[in-house]
Amino acid sequence: GQNIDQPTEMTATEGAIVQINCTYQTSGFNGLFWYQQHAGEAPTFLSYNVLDGLEEKGRFSSFLSRSKGYSYLLLKELQMKDSASYLCATMDSNYQLIWGAGTKLIIKP
Amino acid sequence: IAGITQAPTSQILAAGRRMTLRCTQDMRHNAMYWYRQDLGLGLRLIHYSNTAGTTGKGEVPDGYSVSRANTDDFPLTLASAVPSQTSVYFCASSPGENIQYFGAGTRLSVL
Repeated sequence: GQNIDQPTEMTATEGAIVQINCTYQTSGFNGLFWYQQHAGEAPTFLSYNVLDGLEEKGRFSSFLSRSKGYSYLLLKELQMKDSASYLCATMDSNYQLIWGAGTKLIIKP
Repeated sequence: IAGITQAPTSQILAAGRRMTLRCTQDMRHNAMYWYRQDLGLGLRLIHYSNTAGTTGKGEVPDGYSVSRANTDDFPLTLASAVPSQTSVYFCASSPGENIQYFGAGTRLSVL
């Protein structure tokens, strides 16, 4: 079967670092995506990993281990505007995205 | 401004009524998608289209139909709405097997 797990909610402090984990089991694998979704808005693309390792993009980094079915999104120097839901999704053998339920990140001053 | 436009932004609908959600993109993307998003669940794919003239069923297609007469438009129709179709509906497009770009969503309540 296909399954993506990520924590429902996390809380972090402004200026700190937070790591959001995602584990997956999918039929076929053509990459892993992270999206950000502010409340009441559309998801927006953050990162894409298809090979093992770390991809860094400014304050955000994403890591993938295909053998472990594991990814994480690392957010550094947290800002209040980072309060949002973070969606993990894998692309399956049919090139369709399978989505996790999302992790709501709450940033406190 | 390039992007995806969805209409309406929100709608309250009586059960049993027919409703079409509109989606238009001006990025000339081949692939388009319709998702629903419900609290506590991930985005679930309703229907998709890999190119104009073709459509396919996603994870939750029952009660919905789509058409793709041209590259830009991908309307979603609820033939006879039921309360379980109350949700937020997102349209997305992609240039290929790659990043998907989302519209602002339609909030639909079926009473």
